[in-house]
Amino acid sequence: AQRVTQPEKLLSVFKGAPVELKCNYSYSGSPELFWYVQYSRQRLQLLLRHISRESIKGFTADLNKGETSFHLKKPFAQEEDSAMYYCALSAWETSGSRLTFGEGTQLTVNP
Amino acid sequence: NAGVTQTPKFRILKIGQSMTLQCTQDMNHNYMYWYRQDPGMGLKLIYYSVGAGITDKGEVPNGYNVSRSTTEDFPLRLELAAPSQTSVYFCASRIKKREGFYNEQFFGPGTRLTVL
Repeated sequence: AQRVTQPEKLLSVFKGAPVELKCNYSYSGSPELFWYVQYSRQRLQLLLRHISRESIKGFTADLNKGETSFHLKKPFAQEEDSAMYYCALSAWETSGSRLTFGEGTQLTVNP
Repeated sequence: NAGVTQTPKFRILKIGQSMTLQCTQDMNHNYMYWYRQDPGMGLKLIYYSVGAGITDKGEVPNGYNVSRSTTEDFPLRLELAAPSQTSVYFCASRIKKREGFYNEQFFGPGTRLTVL
């Protein structure tokens, strides 16, 4: 079975401070990891996927297979980063290649 | 492309009533999904479909039904609404390009349902 854990439900930082949103997963095969972002009352949007290895809106995430983690980082948080962030896992072997979501972290960036 | 669209945006139901949540995508995606989002619980998969005529249960299918008669449409049916079905429902779609390679999931704007 696949599982995604986001240990922090709420995270509050000040503008300009570094931010790290934690994500740990359990899956015995080769997963694909994603970060989705949901701004207030909007649809989920893809932020990052691990195979792309790119930086979006200043965010990066590295897949650490040894620690089974996919933490999301940004060196200088902005107020517009305030949103709900979901880590998600997809596995080729799973029927329908379903996404398994973590419970989400609500990030608030204070001025 | 409009992407993934959902109707209605909001709905209030009485216990025992039924309704259908509509979902349409115009991207010719073969995979479609229904999730519910509850506070502090993340998103839970209700049903999914890998193509027209093929559907399967997700994590929380009880109280719901789906059909997939066309590639574009994937309606979700609530037969006897219960307060536990108060939630925000998201539809999503995805394309399988080749074996083992899938594009990202694209989400609809959601339907906010309250059952009183």
